[in-house]
Amino acid sequence: QKEVEQDPGPLSVPEGAIVSLNCTYSNSAFQYFMWYRQYSRKGPELLMYTYSSGNKEDGRFTAQVDKSSKYISLFIRDSQPSDSATYLCAMNAGAGSYQLTFGKGTKLSVIP
Amino acid sequence: DTAVSQTPKYLVTQMGNDKSIKCEQNLGHDTMYWYKQDSKKFLKIMFSYNNKELIINETVPNRFSPKSPDKAHLNLHINSLELGDSAVYFCASSLPGGGYGYTFGSGTRLTVV
Repeated sequence: QKEVEQDPGPLSVPEGAIVSLNCTYSNSAFQYFMWYRQYSRKGPELLMYTYSSGNKEDGRFTAQVDKSSKYISLFIRDSQPSDSATYLCAMNAGAGSYQLTFGKGTKLSVIP
Repeated sequence: DTAVSQTPKYLVTQMGNDKSIKCEQNLGHDTMYWYKQDSKKFLKIMFSYNNKELIINETVPNRFSPKSPDKAHLNLHINSLELGDSAVYFCASSLPGGGYGYTFGSGTRLTVV
């Protein structure tokens, strides 16, 4: 079992839809959970950051972490064509671990 | 601009050559990383330096050698390039521990022909 599993998609939705992106993980030591957005031929940019279980909202984006199920989600409300990108989940065991473990990314297309 | 900057952005070279990629960050971070992204977009860590000290050294061929002259710079030298080295190489930096996320550079697209 890979440490972090993420459905690569591609996922295609109409503009205005609610998008749900998910990752599962196996390492119970992970405490910090992130979502990165990567546009084509660009570097990943940090979108959302969450510590431990719970929800975090930032504008149209909501990140959820359920440590008991080892499952994290990113919801995008009122999706826009500019949201079309690859979304990567990433996680880290916390202080001293340094290494982020990434999912393989989900390619999202929002169709106008 | 505060950022992680890599040079060059594109690198096309022949098999057997030696090449270097440079990275600089002005975010005041102590920790810097090299990641490799393959054709399937999977990001895999190669090396990490914290305050000029090597702290992560994943299983990569010893043809790859990182060097950190100071905590704001991390370079990657690759000897005897092979076709399989073709990929996008990303530099990143973070606060100690990396738990608050990384800031990535825009990548160096290496093509070995």
